[in-house]
Amino acid sequence: EVKLVESGGGLVQPGGSLRLSCAASGFILSSNWMHWVRQAPGKGLVWVSRINADGSSTIYADSVKGRFTISRDNAKNTLYLQMNSLRAEDTAVYFCIRSSGYPDYWGQGTLVTVAS
Amino acid sequence: DIVMTQSPDSLAVSLGERATINCKSSQSVLSSSKNKDCLAWFQQKPGQPPKVLISWASTRESGVPDRFSGSGSGTDFTLTISSLQPEDVAVYYCQHYYTTPWTFGQGTKVEVK
Repeated sequence: EVKLVESGGGLVQPGGSLRLSCAASGFILSSNWMHWVRQAPGKGLVWVSRINADGSSTIYADSVKGRFTISRDNAKNTLYLQMNSLRAEDTAVYFCIRSSGYPDYWGQGTLVTVAS
Repeated sequence: DIVMTQSPDSLAVSLGERATINCKSSQSVLSSSKNKDCLAWFQQKPGQPPKVLISWASTRESGVPDRFSGSGSGTDFTLTISSLQPEDVAVYYCQHYYTTPWTFGQGTKVEVK
């Protein structure tokens, strides 16, 4: 069974940092491109970032470029999102998503709250 | 970026009746290499992650009831629930995966009339 389990969310002050993790099981992480999507409370879905299968190519939404870094450790079957210089508008549930040509599996999400 | 526009924003349908949600993309999402439209439909219930119902505009995911169907091509797409059930109350999103950034429709809230 494919499972994606995010962790690392929490309350952080503006300007602070967090690292999200997404533990993958039931499939070989190195076979898939992976994405992060976020959803602010009561709002819609917004794509954040993507990394290719071997980690050599990454891309970001303009709103997080220069502040967030996506990475992966295929040996540990884990995806990461390092978030720096956090702002109130980054408050959201963050989902990791497997892409098999299309977004076929989503994790349960982890809540990040940026507030003083 | 490709803009995805759903209509309506909300929809109230009687149990057993048909629900239709439309999604329009600002440009074609047809993959020339796959000759398929890169369009997915998701269902999201409160406190849960989105669940993919339809991929490639019309391919139903395994385990999804056959009352859900997707249609359309190019820039205009439709999700149809042929006979609304109580468990179908949710917010539905369309999304393109033609290129990055992926973008999503604003969501359509489906309720029981």
